[in-house]
Amino acid sequence: AQTVTQSQPEMSVQEAETVTLSCTYDTSESDYYLFWYKQPPSRQMILVIRQEAYKQQNATENRFSVNFQKAAKSFSLKISDSQLGDAAMYFCAYIRSKLTFGKGITLSVRP
Amino acid sequence: ETGVTQSPTHLIKTRGQQVTLRCSSQSGHNTVSWYQQALGQGPQFIFQYYREEENGRGNFPPRFSGLQFPNYSSELNVNALELDDSALYLCASSFLRDRGPTGDYGYTFGSGTRLTVV
Repeated sequence: AQTVTQSQPEMSVQEAETVTLSCTYDTSESDYYLFWYKQPPSRQMILVIRQEAYKQQNATENRFSVNFQKAAKSFSLKISDSQLGDAAMYFCAYIRSKLTFGKGITLSVRP
Repeated sequence: ETGVTQSPTHLIKTRGQQVTLRCSSQSGHNTVSWYQQALGQGPQFIFQYYREEENGRGNFPPRFSGLQFPNYSSELNVNALELDDSALYLCASSFLRDRGPTGDYGYTFGSGTRLTVV
C-alpha cells in the first residue's frame, strides 16, 4: 500500500524568506504522480505543483519548486519569497490510481 | 468552465440517521472521488466513480455508498451515522484515462461539506 509521510506538523517563515516543506512516500510503482496541495481556511484544495515520476527534472511554478528524489522517495516543496497569502495547510499527495494524502503541515507567515 | 460544487456546505445530523451529500463535477471530467477529512488530518480516500461505476474504494465500511449520474455528478450516502463520521467531506472530479496512472489532468476539488454528528 502507498503511504505519504509529512513529519513536520507546523512551520513558520518570515515574509519574503524561503521555506522548505518535507514529504516522503512509499510505493512499489515506478510510474506515478506527486502533488502539493494548499488548503486555506476556505477548505478548498488548491493544486500548487505536480511532478511526474518519470521526469527527472524538478517541477517549478513561479515561486514554488520541488526537490524530487525518486530513489529516496522524497518530494519536498520550496516556497521562495513567502507571502502572507501562502499561510495555509499544505498536503503532499501521491497518485497511481487513487489519491493518497499525507497528514499535512500548517504553514504560518510572519509579517 | 465550471468548477466543482458541493452541497450542502454544513450539516448537522443525529447519530443513527442517514445523510446524502452532493457534488457536481467539472465540465469535461468523467470521474468523481470522495474523501473524508477529520479535523487537523489529511483527506482519506472513500471511493471513486468512473462512468457511473465504483472503480476504487478505501478502507470504509459498506454504510458509505455512492452514485454517479450520467452528467458525472455524484452523491455520497452514509447510513447509520456515528459520532466519528463528523468530518469535512471533499469531492473531487478528474479525467481518467482508460489505462496508466491517473494524474495527467489533475483533480479539481470542491469546498466540501462539513458534517457534524451529534
